Amino acid sequence: SAVISQKPSRDICQRGTSLTIQCQVDSQVTMMFWYRQQPGQSLTLIATANQGSEATYESGFVIDKFPISRPNLTFSTLTVSNMSPEDSSIYLCSGQGANEKLFFGSGTQLSVL
Amino acid sequence: AQTVTQSQPEMSVQEAETVTLSCTYDTSESNYYLFWYKQPPSRQMILVIRQEAYKQQNATENRFSVNFQKAAKSFSLKISDSQLGDTAMYFCAFIAGRGTYKYIFGTGTRLKVLA
Repeated sequence: SAVISQKPSRDICQRGTSLTIQCQVDSQVTMMFWYRQQPGQSLTLIATANQGSEATYESGFVIDKFPISRPNLTFSTLTVSNMSPEDSSIYLCSGQGANEKLFFGSGTQLSVL
Repeated sequence: AQTVTQSQPEMSVQEAETVTLSCTYDTSESNYYLFWYKQPPSRQMILVIRQEAYKQQNATENRFSVNFQKAAKSFSLKISDSQLGDTAMYFCAFIAGRGTYKYIFGTGTRLKVLA
């Protein structure tokens, strides 16, 4: 199965700043997904990123707040812009492999002060 | 709309014992895939087991097996010979057919294995 390297693993940021999270996959992946997860809760899909096209955002998430880059089949970034304490969460990237299996990065724990 | 329900927020089991985690789902699709994912305190989501809806045989992976009841739309996970390293959050997940990208996750069951 593929391996995703996600960084940073955690960060503490000031209100109003932006943070970019990077995910590098060790093999080519058509679809990548970005999720948000509150501690102890389920995953909420932010957007789906297909190489060469704009990301598709879920209801409640907008491109200006969560711009996503997908320059090639092995890399994607998610930026959390103009952060507020409500953005404090765990952010997970994932890729869809063979047989519809999802594999995940190790997550980024974000705290906004 | 598809839904996934995990009705057990928390469970505990003694080391070496067997535990079963429940998952039910709702869909009108005939072709779909079901998964169990494990998320230990490290946050890394790990695929435990996968089941294809058109396969009647229950999937097994070492100490992990499922009881897939398609008519009842039930997909429970059995962990045999529980180990301390099995302590984690377990999520049931569903995706309908090929060429779709919307995974539906349950709310999770927190499992604690007791020494």
